[in-house]
Amino acid sequence: EAEVAQSPRYKITEKSQAVAFWCDPISGHATLYWYRQILGQGPELLVQFQDESVVDDSQLPKDRFSAERLKGVDSTLKIQPAELGDSAMYLCASSRQGDGFYEQYFGPGTRLTVT
Amino acid sequence: GQQVMQIPQYQHVQEGEDFTTYCNSSTTLSNIQWYKQRPGGHPVFLIQLVKSGEVKKQKRLTFQFGEAKKNSSLHITATQTTDVGTYFCAGIPGGSNYKLTFGKGTLLTVNP
Repeated sequence: EAEVAQSPRYKITEKSQAVAFWCDPISGHATLYWYRQILGQGPELLVQFQDESVVDDSQLPKDRFSAERLKGVDSTLKIQPAELGDSAMYLCASSRQGDGFYEQYFGPGTRLTVT
Repeated sequence: GQQVMQIPQYQHVQEGEDFTTYCNSSTTLSNIQWYKQRPGGHPVFLIQLVKSGEVKKQKRLTFQFGEAKKNSSLHITATQTTDVGTYFCAGIPGGSNYKLTFGKGTLLTVNP
């Protein structure tokens, strides 16, 4: 069964450093999502791509976070500089389309710890 | 802002007991999706409800969507230790731009 791939699985970094996360969605899925999940909370959408275009980044802290999906396939989420409050699980998900009525397939996530 | 609320936040049961989690919204929801996240794992899709008053069953799990499409519930009959995890509801609040909004989830623990 196809899966969403993410790397790295774990990342420890010092505050003010730059970090990057990678996601490879299920083949053929047009929509890719980046979520942040704080322990004990539900996933919070950071950015949603439809193919290579951003369709929602309203909750993305754009002063330090950036995301791209240049060829409409895999995607990178970057944080620069990292802050202590960025410690969380970063989940990538994909779906066939992005109208909210398609199930989302989540990757294993990247657990970020900022020290 | 528009929110999807879930209660309870935590629920501990003895194996064999039933379990129910509730999802509520202040606005009409276009749909409800339910996900399960095992400890240390990632959310996995369980089901989607779209119609008012809809009821769907998956073995011991029963999902309901309220008549007013503002609430939903997930009921597990005779819990097993394999049911342990956090159950999230997610829905599209009325008037949103099709953004699926997740609740905070209900953590279920089962004592064998």
